[in-house]
Amino acid sequence: QQPVQSPQAVILREGEDAVINCSSSKALYSVHWYRQKHGEAPVFLMILLKGGEQKGHDKISASFNEKKQQSSLYLTASQLSYSGTYFCGTGDLSGGYNKLIFGAGTRLAVHP
Amino acid sequence: EAQVTQNPRYLITVTGKKLTVTCSQNMNHEYMSWYRQDPGLGLRQIYYSMNVEVTDKGDVPEGYKVSRKEKRNFPLILESPSPNQTSLYFCASSPPRGEQFFGPGTRLTVL
Repeated sequence: QQPVQSPQAVILREGEDAVINCSSSKALYSVHWYRQKHGEAPVFLMILLKGGEQKGHDKISASFNEKKQQSSLYLTASQLSYSGTYFCGTGDLSGGYNKLIFGAGTRLAVHP
Repeated sequence: EAQVTQNPRYLITVTGKKLTVTCSQNMNHEYMSWYRQDPGLGLRQIYYSMNVEVTDKGDVPEGYKVSRKEKRNFPLILESPSPNQTSLYFCASSPPRGEQFFGPGTRLTVL
């Protein structure tokens, strides 16, 4: 069962914030976040491996609510380079850490 | 340079003509996976491998085969390609519990 990402698309002005959510119907072991620019391969952003874990670097951070089976990606003070499609990948108890199921993606466009 | 390579990058073929897409990684990773990416569907896992000679089906394995005879290589085989296998394919490798490193992708068109 593919995790559900919301929203499907976001349009921002430079400097604005955004939140992308990822919800699963299964109990989760891990959540990965990736960003993919048009015509390129997905690039790793971060992994969250424990319930309640929060991570971040630069102005991008994420949280993992194990109980609610969901994760959120926070992009603050967005930059033009943040444009792309964001995917969450979830690992559940049956598959373990490395068998990931990806969401359909959230397209983010940042304009000057 | 640590990387995952795929070949070919682009391929146009006809229905029923067997093909192989190669994938190789130089990071000594145990885990390797194949995904297909279609508009609006995200990345869907085809097969994955936990180590040499250990493979398992992902979510969309029908019509595909894989093998893992060496740790670094994980080829994807389409014995009899059909038009519904037209897609963008990514190979990825990862250490245990680690990030997935994706190859550059192979765009396949089956006529």
